[in-house]
Amino acid sequence: AQRVTQPEKLLSVFKGAPVELKCNYSYSGSPELFWYVQYSRQRLQLLLRHISRESIKGFTADLNKGETSFHLKKPFAQEEDSAMYYCALSGRNTGNQFYFGTGTSLTVIP
Amino acid sequence: NAGVTQTPKFQVLKTGQSMTLQCAQDMNHNSMYWYRQDPGMGLRLIYYSASEGTTDKGEVPNGYNVSRLNKREFSLRLESAAPSQTSVYFCATNRRGDTGELFFGEGSRLTVL
Repeated sequence: AQRVTQPEKLLSVFKGAPVELKCNYSYSGSPELFWYVQYSRQRLQLLLRHISRESIKGFTADLNKGETSFHLKKPFAQEEDSAMYYCALSGRNTGNQFYFGTGTSLTVIP
Repeated sequence: NAGVTQTPKFQVLKTGQSMTLQCAQDMNHNSMYWYRQDPGMGLRLIYYSASEGTTDKGEVPNGYNVSRLNKREFSLRLESAAPSQTSVYFCATNRRGDTGELFFGEGSRLTVL
């Protein structure tokens, strides 16, 4: 069965420190992995997807099929990064559905 | 170009009352979804519609009904609201066959007393 696990509900880091938000998944086949972000009083929006292999707002995420992980990383956290982050999974085996993790609330301390 | 529009944004109901959440999109997307967002539970899929005229249950469909009125609109109905349905509801869309980006509405905050 498809499953997305985000082990940290809350994460606090100081401004300028590195940040890593963890995401592990279970899926039979080739998944598509995403990170969505929800800033205060804004709608959920796509931050990045593994297939794009790009860096958005300084964030990167690498799909590690061996460890079934898709951790989100940024070398130097900024205050504007404070938000709720959701890891999500989709793929041919999900019938067009997206499965979300429980989310990690990131707070960047000035 | 509004994208995905949900109404109402806020609603308070008494137990047993009914209401409909409306969702409309102008993105010409085939697939539409209703999620609920609860603290510590993340986003859970209630129902989705892969295309006009089709609907399917998601992870938590009990207590809800949906209607895909046309390609643009996908409504979520609570026939007899319960306190357990207090939540923030999100509508989302994407192109059929594309497991890519979901586009979300702003959310509807529902409180059932």
